[in-house]
Amino acid sequence: QQQVKQSPQSLIVQKGGISIINCAYENTAFDYFPWYQQFPGKGPALLIAIRPDVSEKKEGRFTISFNKSAKQFSLHIMDSQPGDSATYFCAASISTGGTSYGKLTFGQGTILTVHP
Amino acid sequence: EADIYQTPRYLVIGTGKKITLECSQTMGHDKMYWYQQDPGMELHLIHYSYGVNSTEKGDLSSESTVSRIRTEHFPLTLESARPSHTSQYLCASSIGWNTEAFFGQGTRLTVV
Repeated sequence: QQQVKQSPQSLIVQKGGISIINCAYENTAFDYFPWYQQFPGKGPALLIAIRPDVSEKKEGRFTISFNKSAKQFSLHIMDSQPGDSATYFCAASISTGGTSYGKLTFGQGTILTVHP
Repeated sequence: EADIYQTPRYLVIGTGKKITLECSQTMGHDKMYWYQQDPGMELHLIHYSYGVNSTEKGDLSSESTVSRIRTEHFPLTLESARPSHTSQYLCASSIGWNTEAFFGQGTRLTVV
């Protein structure tokens, strides 16, 4: 199964707050988990990515937490800013073997609004 | 800023017309992809390419076709556009598997 389930569909946070977006997957062959950020009228851009050999990765205000046993991963945005308002997509792919490797399967997206 | 370009940005066309959406990248990436995205919705892979002369269908069935004659160019063609083809089409490229995919700004297609 290739599905990646993302929640919540939309999220409203006050400036300075923490934004948390969750994703769950079924296919245990997935071994690459990126998060993409998309602003209106633009294509998605890679924000941060993680591989299953680590449980957490942090880049500035953005942190991915990964729980391999639960098949879940989440994005945390600390000190959320109005400029973070965008749509966020989690994704997953398989790096080796079979006909599915390298293709990103995206979650449904989360519209984040950060109020000043 | 990623060096991947899509044209046109917006296209309104009548039913039955043939259209080609252009995608070009100057990064020398072997892997290229086409995704379809309805407003506010997830991206669905419709075509991908491993390199020159290689094309494969993605997870979402599409009536469109693609070609990869040159590394930098990956156009998508619809032989006979229908209103059901109305959507945003995003092109992307990557240097390898499970590396950053760079997206173009997309073509918003409306078939009337």
